[in-house]
Order: sequence, then structure tokens, then C-alpha cells
Amino acid sequence: EPEVTQTPSHQVTQMGQEVILRCVPISNHLYFYWYRQILGQKVEFLVSFYNNEISEKSEIFDDQFSVERPDGSNFTLKIRSTKLEDSAMYFCASSEFRLTNEKLFFGSGTQLSVL
Amino acid sequence: QKEVEQDPGPLSVPEGAIVSLNCTYSNSAFQYFMWYRQYSRKGPELLMYTYSSGNKEDGRFTAQVDKSSKYISLFIRDSQPSDSATYLCAMSGDNYGQNFVFGPGTRLSVLP
Repeated sequence: EPEVTQTPSHQVTQMGQEVILRCVPISNHLYFYWYRQILGQKVEFLVSFYNNEISEKSEIFDDQFSVERPDGSNFTLKIRSTKLEDSAMYFCASSEFRLTNEKLFFGSGTQLSVL
Repeated sequence: QKEVEQDPGPLSVPEGAIVSLNCTYSNSAFQYFMWYRQYSRKGPELLMYTYSSGNKEDGRFTAQVDKSSKYISLFIRDSQPSDSATYLCAMSGDNYGQNFVFGPGTRLSVLP
């Protein structure tokens, strides 16, 4: 079965450093998403991306965050100047269409630890 | 009132038991209702997907949606130790953006 792949599985960084989290969505999918889950809390929407631009973003997705599709297969989340509170599991997801009558597939996540 | 509420558990049951997991919600605009299973340190995996009110069955799993009560349920029959995971309800309007909301999850342990 096709799957969403995320790298790295774990990332440790110092506060103030920049990190890039990488994702390879399912190949025929057109819509890409980032979610995060702080330990013990619910999964939260960050951003959706389609046709090389952001479709929608949440309040969490402030100026320190950016997304990019640098080539035909990768989808990245960049966090500039990381803060302690950015420590969380970050999930990439993709769907063929944006509408919720199409299923959403999640990657296994990148555990980000900011020290 | 939180948008989606779910008993966090943990819920422990013996192998073979019937498990009932529930969520309540407040936003009447939700039309799509999903259950995801999440193993530790893994991404959510879609288990069941229903549109509007009604029941849906898939193997040992049955999902029920009662939009009039704003209440959804997942039943697991003949539970197995491999079912031990966190179960997340999720619901949405017509797209996966801001209007796609997860519950906090219920941690389930099925004891052999």
C-alpha cells in the first residue's frame, strides 16, 4: 500500500536553530498537510498546501514556519529559530483531493526535540 | 465547551471483550466522521470513515454516528492485544483544513 514517508524520525536541535522536516507524499496526491501533536495533546492542523501555495493555515503557523515543495516529490516544513514549545511530533499527510470524501493518509511523524 | 470531547482513558479490557469508544462534538457543521488508530510514536492510521448519520461495519469494527445527539461511537468486537493503541475520533466539514478536528484520543489496552 502506498504510504507517506517522513524523515528524519527524530530531530534534536538547540533553541534558536533552524530545522527542516521532510516528507514524501503519496505520488498521485495533490494536497499536502502538516499537523503537529504535542506530547499528551491532540493532533493540531498547521497548514495545507496545493499547487505550490498555501491553501489554509492555522494560528500556530506563524512567520517562523514555512512550507515548500522543492521538487516533484518532497514537501518540507521549515521552522526558523526554534523555540522550546516547538517540541512535538510533526506529521505530514496527503490526500488526492482536499475534500473530506477523499481519505487522508499520515506519515509516521518526526519527533522534534528543542533543547 | 471543547469542540470535540473524548474520554482519554486509559481503558483496559480482556482479550475478546467488546470495546466501546465514544466522542461528542459541538459543531453541527461536521459532516464527515472518522476513527483513527495511533500506535505509540506513529502517525494516525485511518480505521473507519462515515458520512452523516448511520452505521458502518468493517470486519470487527463498527462506527456509529448520531448527528442529532452530536455523538459518535466505535465498537470493536473480539478485541485483540494488537488493538492496543490510542483511538482518535476526527470530524470535518467538507475539507481537511481548519475545519478538520481531532479528539484528544482514548488509550486502549487489550490484555491477553
